Amino acid sequence: SQTIHQWPATLVQPVGSPLSLECTVEGTSNPNLYWYRQAAGRGLQLLFYSVGIGQISSEVPQNLSASRPQDRQFILSSKKLLLSDSGFYLCAWSRDSSSTDTQYFGPGTRLTVL
Amino acid sequence: AQTVTQSQPEMSVQEAETVTLSCTYDTSESDYYLFWYKQPPSRQMILVIRQEAYKQQNATENRFSVNFQKAAKSFSLKISDSQLGDAAMYFCACKKTSYDKVIFGPGTSLSVIP
Repeated sequence: SQTIHQWPATLVQPVGSPLSLECTVEGTSNPNLYWYRQAAGRGLQLLFYSVGIGQISSEVPQNLSASRPQDRQFILSSKKLLLSDSGFYLCAWSRDSSSTDTQYFGPGTRLTVL
Repeated sequence: AQTVTQSQPEMSVQEAETVTLSCTYDTSESDYYLFWYKQPPSRQMILVIRQEAYKQQNATENRFSVNFQKAAKSFSLKISDSQLGDAAMYFCACKKTSYDKVIFGPGTSLSVIP
C-alpha cells in the first residue's frame, strides 16, 4: 500500500530564516506530487505541483519554491521566511496524469514564523 | 475557472442524528470528479467519498452518501447516524478529468453534540 510522509511535523522559525520541508511517498512510482498551504481557519491553497523529476509548476507567485530531486521526494523551500508564510503545509500525491485518481494527503507540517 | 462554494461555515448535529453539508461548484467541463474530504483536529486530510460526474448514481460509503445534482451543480454530503468522531472540517472539492488540479471549497466545520 502507498504511504506519504512529511517532516518535520511542527516547526518554529524566525523571520528571515531559510525553510526546507520534505515529503516522500512510498509504494508507488511516478506519482504526481502537490504542496498545499492552509492558513488558520481557511481552505487549501495549491502552491506547487509536479508531474515528474525536475518538473515543477507554480500556482501562486510567492516567497516559496519547490523541487523534486527524486521520483518520490518533493521539497518545499524558502531562502527567507516571512510572517505570512505561517500556516499548515500539506503534501499530497496522486497517480500519474493518465489516470484521474484521487489525491491523498500527508499528515502535514505546522509552520510558525515569529 | 472552477470554483467550489460551501455556504455553511459551521454546522452541528446531535449524536446519532443525520446532517447534510452543502456544496455547489461551477465548472465548464462536462466530465469531472467531485470529492468530500474530512479534516479532524489532527489536521490529516482524509478522503470521505468521491463521485464521477458521468455517473448518475449517487456514491455511498457506509454512513456517508452524496446527493449529486449535475444540472444544479450541487454535491451535498449526508452523514447518517452521526458519531463523535465525525466532528471535523469537511471540504468539498472538484477536479477536471483532463487535468489533475483539485479546487477546494472553504470548508464546513461540523460539531457533534453528545
